[in-house]
Amino acid sequence: SQTIHQWPATLVQPVGSPLSLECTVEGTSNPNLYWYRQAAGRGLQLLFYSVGIGQISSEVPQNLSASRPQDRQFILSSKKLLLSDSGFYLCAWSLTGPKNIQYFGAGTRLSVL
Amino acid sequence: AQRVTQPEKLLSVFKGAPVELKCNYSYSGSPELFWYVQYSRQRLQLLLRHISRESIKGFTADLNKGETSFHLKKPFAQEEDSAMYYCALEAGNMLTFGGGTRLMVKP
Repeated sequence: SQTIHQWPATLVQPVGSPLSLECTVEGTSNPNLYWYRQAAGRGLQLLFYSVGIGQISSEVPQNLSASRPQDRQFILSSKKLLLSDSGFYLCAWSLTGPKNIQYFGAGTRLSVL
Repeated sequence: AQRVTQPEKLLSVFKGAPVELKCNYSYSGSPELFWYVQYSRQRLQLLLRHISRESIKGFTADLNKGETSFHLKKPFAQEEDSAMYYCALEAGNMLTFGGGTRLMVKP
């Protein structure tokens, strides 16, 4: 069966420090991969999605970037964190093609101080 | 661009009462709609999707294209239904989520 792993679960970082959040999927090949952010009191916002290795689409301009170095690995990064980057980050995967269910990781709670 | 609106951030009902979580959308194409749920200390997961036309945990949702709505309903709420509910619209390979509604079912 397919599983999705996301780590770390929580992270406290100072302003200006770098960020790297990792997400891996097991049990499937060539999944679509997604990064979402959930800010306090707000809904889920799609940040990035990827339909293949090295293929990244960004939905909103921001201080973050994403990379997909391997088929089932999706990384969210920042060179210098801002206070506004604090939030709950979710990784998700789906089968390729439309109308497919997305499966979510457990999330990473990032606090930038 | 597509948009999903959930007008209520919080909905509080008593056990056994009917519940309706509202969802409205705007999309120029043929919509594909979902309800996702996040129970306390659990992952966000799919509750139901409109193309399945099924009832999950007593919940149903009907797509009303005329009113551009996809409201989630349950005739008798249970305490275990307390959770965060998100309506989502699929376009291409992407989901657009509403802001979410927190449902609290009181004993």
